[in-house]
Amino acid sequence: SQQGEEDPQALSIQEGENATMNCSYKTSINNLQWYRQNSGRGLVHLILIRSNEREKHSGRLRVTLDTSKKSSSLLITASRAADTASYFCATAPMNRDDKIIFGKGTRLHILP
Amino acid sequence: SAVISQKPSRDICQRGTSLTIQCQVDSQVTMMFWYRQQPGQSLTLIATANQGSEATYESGFVIDKFPISRPNLTFSTLTVSNMSPEDSSIYLCSVEEQGVQETQYFGPGTRLLVL
Repeated sequence: SQQGEEDPQALSIQEGENATMNCSYKTSINNLQWYRQNSGRGLVHLILIRSNEREKHSGRLRVTLDTSKKSSSLLITASRAADTASYFCATAPMNRDDKIIFGKGTRLHILP
Repeated sequence: SAVISQKPSRDICQRGTSLTIQCQVDSQVTMMFWYRQQPGQSLTLIATANQGSEATYESGFVIDKFPISRPNLTFSTLTVSNMSPEDSSIYLCSVEEQGVQETQYFGPGTRLLVL
């Protein structure tokens, strides 16, 4: 299956600490995306990294992509209570007729 | 980025009944999708809603159970038919605005509980 697998499934950290989530996938991709979901609401797109990119930044977010290891990481620096959410990676298969596939997600809880 | 609204935001239904969920986008988009998210799980694509033609369903989902309409480029409906408790999920619509496999924008979701 192309589906990404996030690791860990759940993560609790103190406010102000950095949070790192990982995503592994099985076959080649065109791009990888990270999304956030608050309390069962709609997903919000965070960042898209293409297969020829290795690192991307957006505010407090840093995403890396290692296509040789078929893995990506999402780093949230200086975490805040508002970062408490589920984070999903989504992979876009090489066949552009195929839809993007969402992983199982990491539940992040920021402790005050 | 597209702004998407869904109605209803939540509902509690009796088994055997049907519910129609509406998805409205503030701009014209080609690709609209319907997802199901069961409690604590990831998103599973139900179908792609095509304007002017039948929806394209993913494996495990059929038109009789999840009929979809797409009358124009800004609106779609998903009906969950003959519901059972196993249909209790969050149903999400999304759009791809910038091209195939690019960023998706999601509606707020419809939380459905079937008793």
